[in-house]
Amino acid sequence: DIQMTQSPSSLSASIGDRVTITCRASQGIGTYLTWYQQKPGKAPDLLIYAASTLQSGVPSRFGGSGSGAEFTLTISSLQPEDVATYYCQQTYNTPGTFGQGTKVEI
Amino acid sequence: QVLLQESGPGLVKPSQTLSLTCTVSGGSISSGSFYWTWIRQPAGKGLEWVGRVHTSGNTNYNPSLKSRVTISLDASKNQFSLNLTSVTAADTAVYYCARTMATAGLTTDCWGQGTLVTVSS
Repeated sequence: DIQMTQSPSSLSASIGDRVTITCRASQGIGTYLTWYQQKPGKAPDLLIYAASTLQSGVPSRFGGSGSGAEFTLTISSLQPEDVATYYCQQTYNTPGTFGQGTKVEI
Repeated sequence: QVLLQESGPGLVKPSQTLSLTCTVSGGSISSGSFYWTWIRQPAGKGLEWVGRVHTSGNTNYNPSLKSRVTISLDASKNQFSLNLTSVTAADTAVYYCARTMATAGLTTDCWGQGTLVTVSS
């Protein structure tokens, strides 16, 4: 299985801050990388797919970049509604492994 | 807009079989454009990919569960199902059904609300 490692595991930032989350794959996965946002008690919501394509309806303050084995999710200006846990997932092969999650707090 | 809804027992005894169904509305499960996927999440923990089925009959399973898991599709009911045999407490989790695009990077774009399954005697 491809291992996905996210960092940090948690972070605390202020409203308006720029936040960056990193996801590293144990091998190259091209751009087969998806980011999800999960709020407590809810199913994950798709934010970004193919490493950098913003899902329709997702605010433009979210951005993704990277290819190969290193990827980043950036929130350009943190908002109160962004408090959540963020997961990356590789879809290069099965099983589609997830990172362990990054909890974002304010 | 496609909606997915999980259903099934919330409590399963150890060594028995966990069976869940996902009902899809707002779209046809027979579309070759999608896989139909199960993902689970133990309380307070991360997400684990369980497996997926395509309308062609093709299935892929997580090797960690492969000997115990079966995912099938019933096009006549627009449903797909998960069977997990010989369950233990480690299988206690919220189970999500979801839709995965067969293109667009094999992205899972739409999720059910999730259903909690507890394994306990």
